Amino acid sequence: DIQMTQSPSTLSAAVGDRVTITCRASHSISSWLAWYQQKPGKAPKVLIYKASTLETGVPSRFSGSGSGTEFTLTISSLQPDDFAAYYCQQYHSYPLTFGGGTTVEIK
Amino acid sequence: QVQLQQWGAGLLKPPETLSLTCVVHGGSFGGHYWSWIRQPPGKGLEWIGEIHHSGSTNYNPALESRVTISLDTSKNQFSLNLTSLTAADTAVYYCARGIGVVIPRFDSWGQGVLVTVSS
Repeated sequence: DIQMTQSPSTLSAAVGDRVTITCRASHSISSWLAWYQQKPGKAPKVLIYKASTLETGVPSRFSGSGSGTEFTLTISSLQPDDFAAYYCQQYHSYPLTFGGGTTVEIK
Repeated sequence: QVQLQQWGAGLLKPPETLSLTCVVHGGSFGGHYWSWIRQPPGKGLEWIGEIHHSGSTNYNPALESRVTISLDTSKNQFSLNLTSLTAADTAVYYCARGIGVVIPRFDSWGQGVLVTVSS
């Protein structure tokens, strides 16, 4: 199985801050990585796929980068609606696996 | 726009069997992968398995001996059976649509069903 490791597990930030979340894969996954946002009591929502492609309708303040084993999700200017949990997911090989998640909290 | 609606029993006893169903509204059932994913309370996401519209399946090896995913294309729905439940199976269970050429990512999710396993 490909293990996905996210850091940090929790992040405290203020509105307007630039925020970066890292996701590392135990083996190369090329660019087969997606990022999801999850709010309490709700299903995850896809933000980015193929490491850097923004899903339709997702604000441009979200961006993704990386390839191989190291990836980042960046929120350029944190908005009140962005306080949530974020997960990376590899779809390079089975079984599909997720990172442990990063919770973005209000500072 | 596709919508996934899921249902099933929410409280089960060990070693009963979990059965959940997900119906797909407003989108094509063909050409996609249909997955089940779970999330224990306060924890991360675990992929359980998927079924392609052709009927082929892929399962997480950690759960494969207890999982069956099936499809009813006439009703645009797919189902999950998970046998020999223990408390460790307590989680919110989501159905999701996978899209992709070879291996899918998830672009639409059901609302989730909390399944509690307790004696």
